[in-house]
Amino acid sequence: GENVEQHPSTLSVQEGDSAVIKCTYSDSASNYFPWYKQELGKRPQLIIDIRSNVGEKKDQRIAVTLNKTAKHFSLHITETQPEDSAVYFCAETGGGNKLTFGTGTQLKVEL
Amino acid sequence: IAGITQAPTSQILAAGRRMTLRCTQDMRHNAMYWYRQDLGLGLRLIHYSNTAGTTGKGEVPDGYSVSRANTDDFPLTLASAVPSQTSVYFCASSREVRGEQFFGPGTRLTVL
Repeated sequence: GENVEQHPSTLSVQEGDSAVIKCTYSDSASNYFPWYKQELGKRPQLIIDIRSNVGEKKDQRIAVTLNKTAKHFSLHITETQPEDSAVYFCAETGGGNKLTFGTGTQLKVEL
Repeated sequence: IAGITQAPTSQILAAGRRMTLRCTQDMRHNAMYWYRQDLGLGLRLIHYSNTAGTTGKGEVPDGYSVSRANTDDFPLTLASAVPSQTSVYFCASSREVRGEQFFGPGTRLTVL
């Protein structure tokens, strides 16, 4: 993957609402799309990933959708909680077998 | 050692000095990576190694070198540090190339 665009750069939601973060990519060979969460002062950690042979994957309150035709994928967090506040990074692995990260989304869940 | 570790935790370095950041994993992962994280720019790949004995250049390799003499260790060397190399450096490893990457705790480097 050569280029990943992530939007929005900041997102503020009320507790209990949903949050959606979108990423677009350019490499048609991309076939692995992970999402990482980084809390303040901590290391990034994988929260969910999807491979190109599926269109959607869920894990409790988190889901990822993939549209290969449009070359975009999204992270959906439902029933947000204060502990969801963090920076979220999308990434993709293209023909080069290396992860390319988006620039991150600062999510703030307000009480 | 449990997981992946980095040393030092933080370092202040004079410009022109040589510095090696250490990274060790005990998970027997084949692939290892070095990223730098700068505000607003996300995580950018510096160098990677798909298996012991091989290395490759990432997005921002200039001014950095790596070696992979064995499975566990993947040191990153700054031959002559410059202020633009001030950043937080993360090492990571994965069992396979297109798999979950596990990150170390990071090294905060300041070059004056």
